Amino acid sequence: QSALTQPASVSGSPGQSITISCTGTSSDVGSYNLVSWYQQHPGKAPKLMIYEGSKRPSGVSNRFSGSKSGNTASLTISGLQAEDEADYYCCSYAGSSSYVFGTGTKVTVL
Amino acid sequence: EVQLVESGGGLVQPGRSLRLSCAASGFTFDDYAMHWVRQAPGKGLEWVSGISWNSGSIGYADSVKGRFTISRDNAKNSLYLQMNSLRAEDTALYYCAKDEYAMVRGVRIDYWGQGTLVTVSS
Repeated sequence: QSALTQPASVSGSPGQSITISCTGTSSDVGSYNLVSWYQQHPGKAPKLMIYEGSKRPSGVSNRFSGSKSGNTASLTISGLQAEDEADYYCCSYAGSSSYVFGTGTKVTVL
Repeated sequence: EVQLVESGGGLVQPGRSLRLSCAASGFTFDDYAMHWVRQAPGKGLEWVSGISWNSGSIGYADSVKGRFTISRDNAKNSLYLQMNSLRAEDTALYYCAKDEYAMVRGVRIDYWGQGTLVTVSS
């Protein structure tokens, strides 16, 4: 159960698109299409942005999209906005009723 | 409105025990899996433990396996985390979180509490 690997930081200008990667193993990300993404603003609880790899909960902007290839899942934010500046975490099912989170990525809007 | 209210955190010495509670309301508690997720000060999220709707499936992170025990009381709409043999590295904000699925599998955590702080220090 090692944490999934994410880049420590990603930045972009308003209106641009950015992609955050989330690399796991064949025991977690690679074995299941069960990856979710969470946004966390400072001092706040996390918010679900994507589940089952690419599905958006009701109320989440369609600027957020998810995908997966092999052992790596990705979150893309298009049309970057100031309010998107936050920490982002991926999470995957890891078998035997267990989950594992990613190391987290700080998104900065320049 | 879904509400998850954690309690039971505080300062505890290494090696001692603590029991966290989470009071749930605003949804049918026994329809959903529940989790504990923690976040050390200034650090990332760490999934700690999850329990299915009927307590039939339970999982733990390797870092707490054998020391922590998750449980739920569906009659009281409550989730618990018994933490034994606490270590300094267990210091964190502990979130109670609701899954959108009944089993610990879907990775769709849709509601979070505000957390209760556990500090392990002598």
